[in-house]
Amino acid sequence: GAGVSQSPSNKVTEKGKDVELRCDPISGHTALYWYRQRLGQGLEFLIYFQGNSAPDKSGLPSDRFSAERTGESVSTLTIQRTQQEDSAVYLCASSFMAASSYEQYFGPGTRLTVT
Amino acid sequence: AQKVTQAQTEISVVEKEDVTLDCVYETRDTTYYLFWYKQPPSGELVFLIRRNSFDEQNEISGRYSWNFQKSTSSFNFTITASQVVDSAVYFCALSEARGFGNEKLTFGTGTRLTIIP
Repeated sequence: GAGVSQSPSNKVTEKGKDVELRCDPISGHTALYWYRQRLGQGLEFLIYFQGNSAPDKSGLPSDRFSAERTGESVSTLTIQRTQQEDSAVYLCASSFMAASSYEQYFGPGTRLTVT
Repeated sequence: AQKVTQAQTEISVVEKEDVTLDCVYETRDTTYYLFWYKQPPSGELVFLIRRNSFDEQNEISGRYSWNFQKSTSSFNFTITASQVVDSAVYFCALSEARGFGNEKLTFGTGTRLTIIP
């Protein structure tokens, strides 16, 4: 398919371990966003990438969270020393910057459970 | 700071009834965008609409309609003749025009809509 893909779909990890989540945006989409959705809540913005520009990291909740993206390709979100409050669904979205539309296309998410 | 409030946590209606989902927002910007997304049980977010703050015209798309009122900072969503397939969580969201395409979204907490057959 041509949609945003994320892996893994589910991840269970022990408290204190590091995890890495992956996002494959739609080909040609220059903008990429990471969001977090806690159970029963709306989505919280984490980070935004646009081409080779400096990312907007204003939503990252702590220095345990980091993300990388090379050019307009895959992005990885890394959570170090995971805590139970990190349990959530992590959603990635990409968009094509055009004058008429900035619609964000969302992936299916990675459900992270920290035990 | 931006904020989106969806006061209705859960709504249940009988199939074929009309239903309105409320959304109230706060922002200091004069230029901003409002969105509605649908999240069906499968979990994947589905884009429904994006509205520019300068465009207050109501919009209709099939059974869906949106009422944007700047005076009350509201962007309500109405489903006419509801169907079981409309059952989902609906999110209202807001973004500020930050330049160079950064439209990070501020979401409300969502309204869970259940259509009873």
